[in-house]
Amino acid sequence: AQSVTQLGSHVSVSEGALVLLRCNYSSSVPPYLFWYVQYPNQGLQLLLKYTTGATLVKGINGFEAEFKKSETSFHLTKPSAHMSDAAEYFCAVSGTTNAGKSTFGDGTTLTVKP
Amino acid sequence: GAGVSQSPSNKVTEKGKDVELRCDPISGHTALYWYRQSLGQGLEFLIYFQGNSAPDKSGLPSDRFSAERTGGSVSTLTIQRTQQEDSAVYLCASSSSTGGYYGYTFGSGTRLTVV
Repeated sequence: AQSVTQLGSHVSVSEGALVLLRCNYSSSVPPYLFWYVQYPNQGLQLLLKYTTGATLVKGINGFEAEFKKSETSFHLTKPSAHMSDAAEYFCAVSGTTNAGKSTFGDGTTLTVKP
Repeated sequence: GAGVSQSPSNKVTEKGKDVELRCDPISGHTALYWYRQSLGQGLEFLIYFQGNSAPDKSGLPSDRFSAERTGGSVSTLTIQRTQQEDSAVYLCASSSSTGGYYGYTFGSGTRLTVV
């Protein structure tokens, strides 16, 4: 069984400020972890993923996330927010033995204020 | 194709009518997934295909929902006797492998409104 909890359905930051979106997961097998971004009226786009190896992973648009097994977390960060980062962000977990079926969190809407 | 294509992009239907939603995955992607996204909620898994087989149908909400995939490519999700609670965005995704290693490539979705 697997599940994802995203803390905070809405996050608001000022342009240039740090972005931190929180994700905690539960998985009975070693997880694969993902962050996706959804812009208005579009499908989801893969931002970054953790599968094995280095626990700090970098993705597109300057985002990065760190896998912390002891905390069962995979928080998404970006040092400096840009207006174009405003979107909805989804964290997802996939077990290595369940044929790739991902379980998604409820999403966090990021607002960037000028 | 270059991306995952879904059609129609929008569908308004009357309660009780049947609808078909189409997904054309990336060429060569063997795994195909259907999810449903309701307003303000996360993604709800519906069904997964590996080739033309559906090893996991556990997310289909009722027997009014069915899906098929032909030629290891195009997939159709059919909803019979639509109800208002079926209104949602239906998302299709494909992946070049099972096991989730590469993540998904999503289509833009079909927004279904049942009136």
